[in-house]
Amino acid sequence: LAKTTQPISMDSYEGQEVNITCSHNNIATNDYITWYQQFPSQGPRFIIQGYKTKVTNEVASLFIPADRKSSTLSLPRVSLSDTAVYYCLVGYNNAGNMLTFGGGTRLMVKP
Amino acid sequence: DTGVSQNPRHKITKRGQNVTFRCDPISEHNRLYWYRQTLGQGPEFLTYFQNEAQLEKSRLLSDRFSAERPKGSFSTLEIQRTEQGDSAMYLCASSLLETGSTDTQYFGPGTRLTVL
Repeated sequence: LAKTTQPISMDSYEGQEVNITCSHNNIATNDYITWYQQFPSQGPRFIIQGYKTKVTNEVASLFIPADRKSSTLSLPRVSLSDTAVYYCLVGYNNAGNMLTFGGGTRLMVKP
Repeated sequence: DTGVSQNPRHKITKRGQNVTFRCDPISEHNRLYWYRQTLGQGPEFLTYFQNEAQLEKSRLLSDRFSAERPKGSFSTLEIQRTEQGDSAMYLCASSLLETGSTDTQYFGPGTRLTVL
Protein backbone atom coordinates (compact mmCIF):
# COMPACT_ATOMS: atom_id res chain seq x y z
CA LEU A 1 0.00 0.00 0.00
CA ALA A 2 1.24 3.49 -0.84
CA LYS A 3 2.73 5.39 2.08
CA THR A 4 1.32 8.81 2.84
CA THR A 5 2.90 11.89 4.36
CA GLN A 6 0.87 14.68 5.91
CA PRO A 7 1.62 17.50 8.36
CA ILE A 8 1.56 16.47 11.99
CA SER A 9 -0.53 19.43 13.06
CA MET A 10 -2.24 22.59 11.83
CA ASP A 11 -3.91 25.53 13.53
CA SER A 12 -6.73 27.60 12.12
CA TYR A 13 -9.43 30.02 13.22
CA GLU A 14 -13.16 29.77 12.99
CA GLY A 15 -14.54 30.76 9.63
CA GLN A 16 -11.33 30.13 7.73
CA GLU A 17 -10.82 27.64 4.93
CA VAL A 18 -8.39 24.87 5.83
CA ASN A 19 -6.38 22.90 3.31
CA ILE A 20 -4.55 19.76 4.38
CA THR A 21 -2.17 18.30 1.83
CA CYS A 22 -1.15 14.68 1.69
CA SER A 23 1.78 13.30 -0.33
CA HIS A 24 1.57 9.80 -1.80
CA ASN A 25 4.37 9.53 -4.33
CA ASN A 26 4.04 5.78 -4.79
CA ILE A 27 0.31 5.71 -5.48
CA ALA A 28 -0.66 2.86 -7.81
CA THR A 29 -2.95 3.06 -10.80
CA ASN A 30 -5.82 1.33 -9.03
CA ASP A 31 -5.51 3.23 -5.73
CA TYR A 32 -8.20 5.54 -4.44
CA ILE A 33 -7.56 8.38 -1.98
CA THR A 34 -9.71 8.44 1.13
CA TRP A 35 -9.88 10.88 4.02
CA TYR A 36 -11.20 10.14 7.50
CA GLN A 37 -11.87 12.42 10.48
CA GLN A 38 -11.49 11.23 14.04
CA PHE A 39 -12.58 12.88 17.29
CA PRO A 40 -11.14 11.76 20.64
CA SER A 41 -12.54 8.44 21.86
CA GLN A 42 -14.52 7.87 18.67
CA GLY A 43 -13.99 5.75 15.58
CA PRO A 44 -12.77 7.38 12.35
CA ARG A 45 -15.51 8.92 10.24
CA PHE A 46 -15.39 8.75 6.44
CA ILE A 47 -15.23 12.21 4.93
CA ILE A 48 -14.50 11.92 1.23
CA GLN A 49 -12.95 9.71 -1.40
CA GLY A 50 -11.65 10.34 -4.90
CA TYR A 51 -9.57 9.01 -7.75
CA LYS A 52 -8.70 12.08 -9.80
CA THR A 53 -9.47 15.78 -10.32
CA LYS A 54 -11.99 17.16 -7.84
CA VAL A 55 -14.63 15.66 -5.63
CA THR A 56 -17.02 17.69 -3.49
CA ASN A 57 -19.62 16.71 -0.94
CA GLU A 58 -21.55 18.51 1.77
CA VAL A 59 -18.59 18.37 4.14
CA ALA A 60 -15.40 18.88 2.12
CA SER A 61 -13.68 19.02 -1.23
CA LEU A 62 -10.84 16.83 -2.39
CA PHE A 63 -8.41 18.11 -5.01
CA ILE A 64 -6.19 15.63 -6.85
CA PRO A 65 -3.67 16.81 -9.46
CA ALA A 66 -3.14 14.96 -12.70
CA ASP A 67 -0.09 13.03 -11.46
CA ARG A 68 -2.03 11.90 -8.33
CA LYS A 69 1.10 12.05 -6.20
CA SER A 70 -0.61 14.33 -3.73
CA SER A 71 -4.09 15.36 -2.69
CA THR A 72 -5.58 18.24 -0.73
CA LEU A 73 -8.53 18.06 1.61
CA SER A 74 -10.30 21.41 1.78
CA LEU A 75 -12.63 22.25 4.66
CA PRO A 76 -14.62 25.43 4.02
CA ARG A 77 -15.26 27.84 6.89
CA VAL A 78 -14.20 25.62 9.75
CA SER A 79 -15.81 25.77 13.17
CA LEU A 80 -14.58 24.71 16.60
CA SER A 81 -16.25 21.32 16.07
CA ASP A 82 -13.90 20.59 13.18
CA THR A 83 -11.04 20.19 15.67
CA ALA A 84 -10.00 16.59 15.08
CA VAL A 85 -7.38 14.33 13.54
CA TYR A 86 -7.59 13.92 9.77
CA TYR A 87 -6.17 10.84 8.08
CA CYS A 88 -5.25 10.46 4.43
CA LEU A 89 -5.15 6.92 3.06
CA VAL A 90 -4.53 5.38 -0.33
CA GLY A 91 -5.32 1.86 -1.38
CA TYR A 92 -7.09 -0.43 -3.79
CA ASN A 93 -10.27 -1.34 -2.04
CA ASN A 94 -11.58 -4.29 -3.93
CA ALA A 95 -8.44 -6.33 -3.35
CA GLY A 96 -9.23 -6.78 0.31
CA ASN A 97 -8.40 -3.48 1.79
CA MET A 98 -6.60 -3.32 5.08
CA LEU A 99 -6.50 0.41 5.61
CA THR A 100 -3.05 1.64 6.61
CA PHE A 101 -3.33 4.72 8.76
CA GLY A 102 -0.41 7.06 9.32
CA GLY A 103 -0.23 9.52 12.19
CA GLY A 104 -2.75 11.90 10.67
CA THR A 105 -2.94 15.69 10.92
CA ARG A 106 -4.18 17.19 14.16
CA LEU A 107 -6.26 20.24 13.28
CA MET A 108 -6.90 22.74 16.02
CA VAL A 109 -9.55 25.36 15.29
CA LYS A 110 -9.38 28.38 17.55
CA PRO A 111 -12.10 30.94 18.25
CA ASP B 1 -23.79 7.15 14.09
CA THR B 2 -22.50 5.05 11.18
CA GLY B 3 -24.68 2.06 11.97
CA VAL B 4 -21.77 -0.06 13.23
CA SER B 5 -22.16 -0.85 16.91
CA GLN B 6 -19.63 -2.23 19.36
CA ASN B 7 -20.07 -3.62 22.83
CA PRO B 8 -19.01 -3.01 25.43
CA ARG B 9 -17.83 0.56 24.97
CA HIS B 10 -15.43 0.25 27.88
CA LYS B 11 -13.83 -2.75 29.51
CA ILE B 12 -11.55 -2.82 32.52
CA THR B 13 -9.92 -6.12 33.32
CA LYS B 14 -7.06 -7.53 35.32
CA ARG B 15 -3.95 -8.88 33.71
CA GLY B 16 -4.31 -12.53 32.78
CA GLN B 17 -8.07 -12.44 32.24
CA ASN B 18 -9.77 -13.16 28.93
CA VAL B 19 -11.93 -10.54 27.25
CA THR B 20 -14.34 -10.66 24.33
CA PHE B 21 -15.65 -7.76 22.29
CA ARG B 22 -18.59 -7.77 19.93
CA CYS B 23 -19.15 -5.87 16.70
CA ASP B 24 -22.44 -5.58 14.80
CA PRO B 25 -21.83 -4.24 11.29
CA ILE B 26 -24.19 -2.37 9.02
CA SER B 27 -26.71 -5.04 8.14
CA GLU B 28 -26.06 -5.49 4.42
CA HIS B 29 -22.27 -5.21 4.67
CA ASN B 30 -20.36 -8.35 3.77
CA ARG B 31 -16.92 -7.26 4.99
CA LEU B 32 -15.94 -6.70 8.60
CA TYR B 33 -12.59 -5.43 9.88
CA TRP B 34 -10.90 -5.18 13.27
CA TYR B 35 -8.32 -2.51 14.14
CA ARG B 36 -6.44 -1.52 17.27
CA GLN B 37 -5.57 2.05 18.15
CA THR B 38 -3.18 3.16 20.88
CA LEU B 39 -2.97 6.69 22.20
CA GLY B 40 -1.62 9.17 19.69
CA GLN B 41 -1.40 6.64 16.86
CA GLY B 42 -3.56 5.86 13.87
CA PRO B 43 -5.60 2.65 13.83
CA GLU B 44 -3.65 -0.54 13.13
CA PHE B 45 -5.24 -3.30 11.07
CA LEU B 46 -5.68 -6.68 12.79
CA THR B 47 -7.91 -8.92 10.67
CA TYR B 48 -10.89 -8.96 8.34
CA PHE B 49 -13.75 -11.17 7.19
CA GLN B 50 -15.67 -11.49 4.00
CA ASN B 51 -18.98 -12.97 5.05
CA GLU B 52 -17.96 -15.71 7.52
CA ALA B 53 -14.51 -16.33 6.00
CA GLN B 54 -11.51 -14.81 7.75
CA LEU B 55 -9.38 -13.77 4.79
CA GLU B 56 -6.48 -12.11 6.57
CA LYS B 57 -5.27 -12.84 10.06
CA SER B 58 -1.52 -12.60 9.84
CA ARG B 59 -1.67 -9.13 11.40
CA LEU B 60 -3.21 -10.35 14.63
CA LEU B 61 -0.74 -9.30 17.28
CA SER B 62 -0.16 -12.69 18.83
CA ASP B 63 -1.80 -16.08 19.20
CA ARG B 64 -3.65 -14.67 22.19
CA PHE B 65 -5.84 -12.75 19.74
CA SER B 66 -8.60 -14.47 17.79
CA ALA B 67 -11.69 -13.36 15.92
CA GLU B 68 -14.81 -15.05 14.63
CA ARG B 69 -17.75 -14.19 12.44
CA PRO B 70 -19.72 -17.43 12.59
CA LYS B 71 -22.79 -16.52 10.58
CA GLY B 72 -21.41 -13.71 8.51
CA SER B 73 -23.16 -11.08 10.59
CA PHE B 74 -21.75 -9.99 13.96
CA SER B 75 -18.15 -10.67 14.92
CA THR B 76 -16.27 -11.20 18.16
CA LEU B 77 -12.67 -10.43 19.01
CA GLU B 78 -11.18 -12.32 21.93
CA ILE B 79 -7.98 -11.62 23.77
CA GLN B 80 -6.76 -14.37 26.06
CA ARG B 81 -4.47 -13.85 29.03
CA THR B 82 -4.54 -10.08 28.69
CA GLU B 83 -1.40 -8.04 29.27
CA GLN B 84 -1.05 -4.38 30.16
CA GLY B 85 0.23 -3.73 26.64
CA ASP B 86 -3.15 -4.78 25.27
CA SER B 87 -4.70 -1.61 26.66
CA ALA B 88 -6.01 0.24 23.62
CA MET B 89 -9.10 1.16 21.64
CA TYR B 90 -10.38 -1.73 19.53
CA LEU B 91 -12.24 -0.59 16.45
CA CYS B 92 -14.53 -2.45 14.13
CA ALA B 93 -15.40 -1.37 10.60
CA SER B 94 -17.66 -2.77 7.92
CA SER B 95 -18.02 -2.33 4.19
CA LEU B 96 -19.99 -3.58 1.25
CA LEU B 97 -17.92 -5.19 -1.45
CA GLU B 98 -19.69 -5.23 -4.76
CA THR B 99 -18.70 -4.85 -8.37
CA GLY B 100 -17.67 -1.31 -9.14
CA SER B 101 -17.70 -0.15 -5.52
CA THR B 102 -14.80 1.32 -3.65
CA ASP B 103 -15.45 -0.74 -0.53
CA THR B 104 -15.54 2.27 1.81
CA GLN B 105 -15.14 1.25 5.45
CA TYR B 106 -17.42 2.64 8.14
CA PHE B 107 -16.18 2.49 11.69
CA GLY B 108 -17.93 1.83 14.95
CA PRO B 109 -17.34 3.83 18.14
CA GLY B 110 -14.77 1.39 19.46
CA THR B 111 -14.24 -0.55 22.68
CA ARG B 112 -11.70 0.91 25.06
CA LEU B 113 -9.82 -1.79 26.95
CA THR B 114 -7.87 -1.06 30.09
CA VAL B 115 -5.77 -3.86 31.54
CA LEU B 116 -4.74 -3.31 35.14
